[in-house]
Amino acid sequence: EAQVTQNPRYLITVTGKKLTVTCSQNMNHEYMSWYRQDPGLGLRQIYYSMNVEVTDKGDVPEGYKVSRKEKRNFPLILESPSPNQTSLYFCASSPADLGTQYFGPGTRLLVL
Amino acid sequence: AQKITQTQPGMFVQEKEAVTLDCTYDTSDPSYGLFWYKQPSSGEMIFLIYQGSYDQQNATEGRYSLNFQKARKSANLVISASQLGDSAMYFCAMREGPYGGATNKLIFGTGTLLAVQP
Repeated sequence: EAQVTQNPRYLITVTGKKLTVTCSQNMNHEYMSWYRQDPGLGLRQIYYSMNVEVTDKGDVPEGYKVSRKEKRNFPLILESPSPNQTSLYFCASSPADLGTQYFGPGTRLLVL
Repeated sequence: AQKITQTQPGMFVQEKEAVTLDCTYDTSDPSYGLFWYKQPSSGEMIFLIYQGSYDQQNATEGRYSLNFQKARKSANLVISASQLGDSAMYFCAMREGPYGGATNKLIFGTGTLLAVQP
């Protein structure tokens, strides 16, 4: 089944404790992105990647890192999480030919 | 400036009736794509339908159709024969340019919460 998977789905952590949210897609898509969804602000792009080893900042990259060592994986790293990073996070992937973006199931993060 | 506007924060519809969710957009790019996603209470984002700016026909996917009026810059979603499982938040989104300006970024509206009543 074609899908985007994220882990974990739910995470509670404390300020400053490094964490990684994994994202994997099995559709051989070139493009991958991370978004965060906040009430009243909608979804905003954090980082994106056009292909392996090619990543760049989206609209709200502060406090986040990403890597794209393999085509299928695009982890989101929070080196020192803060409470303002409490949010619902989505990973998305799409093919290079203007295709639809497919979203993962989301990761609900609470930073205390 | 808001690029995607969804003016209906919430709507009710009776089961088996059709409903239209409004979406207007703003862009100066001649090449763009318009999307609708459904977000049920469980939180996932489910792709429903896509319309390209150069597509001549309105997009349809099963019970979903997109009423694309380019001159009015509107891309309304029509759900025919509503079902209880259609109750969810619906987001309109736009990708500007051939590759979203190389970021492949989707710009989302604030969403419309649809409640289907039996």
